[in-house]
Formats: sequence, C-alpha cells, structure tokens
Amino acid sequence: QQQVKQSPQSLIVQKGGISIINCAYENTAFDYFPWYQQFPGKGPALLIAIRPDVSEKKEGRFTISFNKSAKQFSLHIMDSQPGDSATYFCAARRLTGNQFYFGTGTSLTVIP
Amino acid sequence: EADIYQTPRYLVIGTGKKITLECSQTMGHDKMYWYQQDPGMELHLIHYSYGVNSTEKGDLSSESTVSRIRTEHFPLTLESARPSHTSQYLCASSEPAGNTIYFGEGSWLTVV
Repeated sequence: QQQVKQSPQSLIVQKGGISIINCAYENTAFDYFPWYQQFPGKGPALLIAIRPDVSEKKEGRFTISFNKSAKQFSLHIMDSQPGDSATYFCAARRLTGNQFYFGTGTSLTVIP
Repeated sequence: EADIYQTPRYLVIGTGKKITLECSQTMGHDKMYWYQQDPGMELHLIHYSYGVNSTEKGDLSSESTVSRIRTEHFPLTLESARPSHTSQYLCASSEPAGNTIYFGEGSWLTVV
C-alpha cells in the first residue's frame, strides 16, 4: 500500500512559469513532510520541508503548501528555470522509528 | 553536501554471482538505510539499521542482506544475483530522530 501518493508523474513547464506538484497521505502519524530533488545520476537531496503545524513554508522560489485537514501538501516552484529540471519526491515521516515514506516522484522539465 | 559514499557506482555482472554494494558515511549517523529505486519509480525501503549490530527489513521484500559492524559502514550483499535484481540501490543515513535523510549517489546494478 502506497503511503504517499504523488502527482503528476511528469510535468513540462515553460521557463518563468509555475510548477506545481501534489502529494496526499492517509496516516495521521506522519509529523514531517520533506521534498527531495534528484538530478540524473545523483541521489535525492533535501529541498524544503514542512511540519503539519504550519500551512505554508517558503524558501526562495520554492513553497510548500500544507492542508492538514485534507491530508495534502504541494510544492510550488515559482519562476521555474531550466536548472530546476529534475525529479521531485515528496515524503512523509512517521516519528515512531523515524521512518520515511516517499512518493513515486515527478519528472519536471522546464523548457526555455 | 552529504558525506555518504557508495561503491561501485555502476556494475554489470552475470547471473549467479555474489556482489556487495559498499556504503560509508562520515557524519557519525546511527541510522542508515538502503532504498531500491527503479527508473521513474518510487524509492522502496529494503533495509535499515538503528546502529551497530542492528539490522531490520524494510517495507519491500528483498533477497539481499545487510550488516552493520561499524557505525560508518553498511554494506548490502546479494549472494546470487538475478536479472530481477537489476535496479538502482541508494544508501542513506540520518540522525536517530533527525529530520533529514542524506543519500549517496547510488549504485546502478545490472544483472545479465
């Protein structure tokens, strides 16, 4: 059973546009929601993260929006750049055992 | 930049061979993980360890085995490789209650 559901599977955005990736979860035991960015040939790297006690977190062009009641969270990339082209994974952490569960990933392509 | 290293990065071996994927981290993290990732697919946790002499199986059943004799070292072994083992294997580490998982760059295994 997939703990974190992520969509879309792939996304193509024009340079300067907004990229939006969505994730949903069911387990209310999750207490931390990071997003990871993975470039080809590299391992995933932490991009930005949020706790469920806040509804939004912004770091530069990257924003997480969190809806606790709907059990959904999303990543917004403003002013998308070709260098943002990568695979993005959402994740959720269950505090007990410090276990992380990952979404299926979204392949983002930003075209010039 | 995470200090977690995996070798080999790429490996092509024949069916039936024994292989060991090496993973080392210099951050002193107690918790370490092995994830399996097929192209364009989610990360599946196959093994994790809370510390020396601790190993646990993850959510995805795997024929591989792991050992944790030293804090910094978490090798993964396949006793008899099969084509179905062809995949990318990602090693990661975190502090026991840490919010961030640090990934290595991955080991691409192809079994022919």
